[in-house]
Amino acid sequence: DAGVIQSPRHEVTEMGQEVTLRCKPISGHNSLFWYRQTMMRGLELLIYFNNNVPIDDSGMPEDRFSAKMPNASFSTLKIQPSEPRDSAVYFCASSPAKNRDRGYNEQFFGPGTRLTVL
Amino acid sequence: EDKVVQSPLSLVVHEGDTVTLNCSYEVTNFRSLLWYKQEKKAPTFLFMLTSSGIEKKSGRLSSILDKKELFSILNITATQTGDSAIYLCAVEGLGATNKLIFGTGTLLAVQP
Repeated sequence: DAGVIQSPRHEVTEMGQEVTLRCKPISGHNSLFWYRQTMMRGLELLIYFNNNVPIDDSGMPEDRFSAKMPNASFSTLKIQPSEPRDSAVYFCASSPAKNRDRGYNEQFFGPGTRLTVL
Repeated sequence: EDKVVQSPLSLVVHEGDTVTLNCSYEVTNFRSLLWYKQEKKAPTFLFMLTSSGIEKKSGRLSSILDKKELFSILNITATQTGDSAIYLCAVEGLGATNKLIFGTGTLLAVQP
């Protein structure tokens, strides 16, 4: 299994430009998560999907951020327009269906996209 | 509001030392606590703890949970330079979803 795949790995853009980050979860996993990591705030959950449906987007900073999951094997996180304070590493993670008895919930992380907004 | 607090924020030790990393939490209807190790790239899973007082062990790493006092510790004995990483603690609440709340992490640096 290739694991969670993210692209691009690095993105440098100018303020005001649109940025699209992509994620392919592990096949068979039904939950997908988008995180943002900075030194100041650590790892923050932005949004997550169960069976392609957004469940909780309370972590999305503002309307400039949007996420979609059109099918079980693909998701995008879009920032439009981008700002310098959006600079961070963005991780996508996926996990298998929740086991009601054990609550098993290991999330498998992708390699991340390092975004720099100048 | 659910939250996870880790301490110390950073730690520098020498090879062979033993370290203890702390994680305290407040979460509605606690279900499990997880530890992750993050080196240069993505976090990787270490332990999941659900019951108080039961130690989980993997090589030189071990972890235990105290659900009464709402904290967990991660111990690393005989540290090696390869243990240098950010150690993340996360908690999960009861419910039908897989949402985790992460702490900001402890940055561990092991010097030769």
